[in-house]
Amino acid sequence: NAGVTQTPKFRVLKTGQSMTLLCAQDMNHEYMYWYRQDPGMGLRLIHYSVGEGTTAKGEVPDGYNVSRLKKQNFLLGLESAAPSQTSVYFCASSYGGYTEAFFGQGTRLTVV
Amino acid sequence: DQQVKQNSPSLSVQEGRISILNCDYTNSMFDYFLWYKKYPAEGPTFLISISSIKDKNEDGRFTVFLNKSAKHLSLHIVPSQPGDSAVYFCAASLDNAGNNRKLIWGLGTSLGVNP
Repeated sequence: NAGVTQTPKFRVLKTGQSMTLLCAQDMNHEYMYWYRQDPGMGLRLIHYSVGEGTTAKGEVPDGYNVSRLKKQNFLLGLESAAPSQTSVYFCASSYGGYTEAFFGQGTRLTVV
Repeated sequence: DQQVKQNSPSLSVQEGRISILNCDYTNSMFDYFLWYKKYPAEGPTFLISISSIKDKNEDGRFTVFLNKSAKHLSLHIVPSQPGDSAVYFCAASLDNAGNNRKLIWGLGTSLGVNP
């Protein structure tokens, strides 16, 4: 009963490095989302996807790219990491719209 | 501009008592509201929701009340248990352009239930 799985759980990057965060869901959900959580800022939507092959920008998309080549996977890329991208990243999925989303356990990213 | 406000960053209650977590919103177009619970080092988990056509929804020890005229909702936990200690997020949803729903999150309230 995996649900939503994020890899990796922790990562430290140097400024300017790139990386990809992987999100996988096994619930056949159409919608997938990437959020970041920062102290005092709540959860902010970075990008989302309403189905395989589609992506859309959320509230804070700058500095990130995403891809949804397969329905079960949603990848978040940082091309050139900056200290401002130090955060906890959560992936989520839902059957349709935002009625009830299931979250992964989070990825703690530190950019030094 | 915070459209969904949880004005109490933290709340402390005694085990067995009622916990009341509050949430205010500014956009009258929100038509669906959700509460999520989050433990440290875990992702949020869905707790309970309510549609704007209702004013109350119950699920076991958890009840959500919606007052549309006041743009206010609250989550009641009765009786509170130590395992309820977590951060509770209120979220509000509306139908965005193109029928993609938009979800706006509050900043969360940290609930501590003391044995």
